[in-house]
Amino acid sequence: DAGVTQSPTHLIKTRGQQVTLRCSPKSGHDTVSWYQQALGQGPQFIFQYYEEEERQRGNFPDRFSGHQFPNYSSELNVNALLLGDSALYLCASSPLAGAADTQYFGPGTRLTVL
Amino acid sequence: AQKVTQAQTEISVVEKEDVTLDCVYETRDTTYYLFWYKQPPSGELVFLIRRNSFDEQNEISGRYSWNFQKSTSSFNFTITASQVVDSAVYFCALKNDMRFGAGTRLTVKP
Repeated sequence: DAGVTQSPTHLIKTRGQQVTLRCSPKSGHDTVSWYQQALGQGPQFIFQYYEEEERQRGNFPDRFSGHQFPNYSSELNVNALLLGDSALYLCASSPLAGAADTQYFGPGTRLTVL
Repeated sequence: AQKVTQAQTEISVVEKEDVTLDCVYETRDTTYYLFWYKQPPSGELVFLIRRNSFDEQNEISGRYSWNFQKSTSSFNFTITASQVVDSAVYFCALKNDMRFGAGTRLTVKP
């Protein structure tokens, strides 16, 4: 039973570029959430996708957008990259979108913006 | 607004010592969920426990135990007889909107 997978593992971009990160949820899960974790900090919630729609969003600008596909996998897109976007981006999946459901995390994608 | 405070930034203990990681939360919700996750150097967050706001029973799982007290808005985590493999960053999180604390870095020395 595969857990949450993310790709790529590492990514280096320059300021102003755009990036796409990918996530496949754990088998049987249909809800995907994305988090940004800056060095030395706790994860910050970006948004959550369920039934191919954005259901909840944290305090992130519109440069951060996402998509969920019919197979429940998801993409996180970040436009006009800033140095401050350098972080570990974590994807989490859960069986449902409710508050009670436990989220299981992938290994993350480490993004470096130069 | 919801908030999670982990006041201990770093803790260092010697193997076999007991250690308690503190977590204090703030929420106006009457129903909420609390979580603890472990983040080893590999980076992946590993789920440890979930606790519902209406269930104040303490829980023990092997060397791990959790003390949930609504009266003090705390959800503390104790590792008994710590081991080197317990070295990691531990996060407490509050859900309904999955707010994480800043984490406590635990180092267990042999």
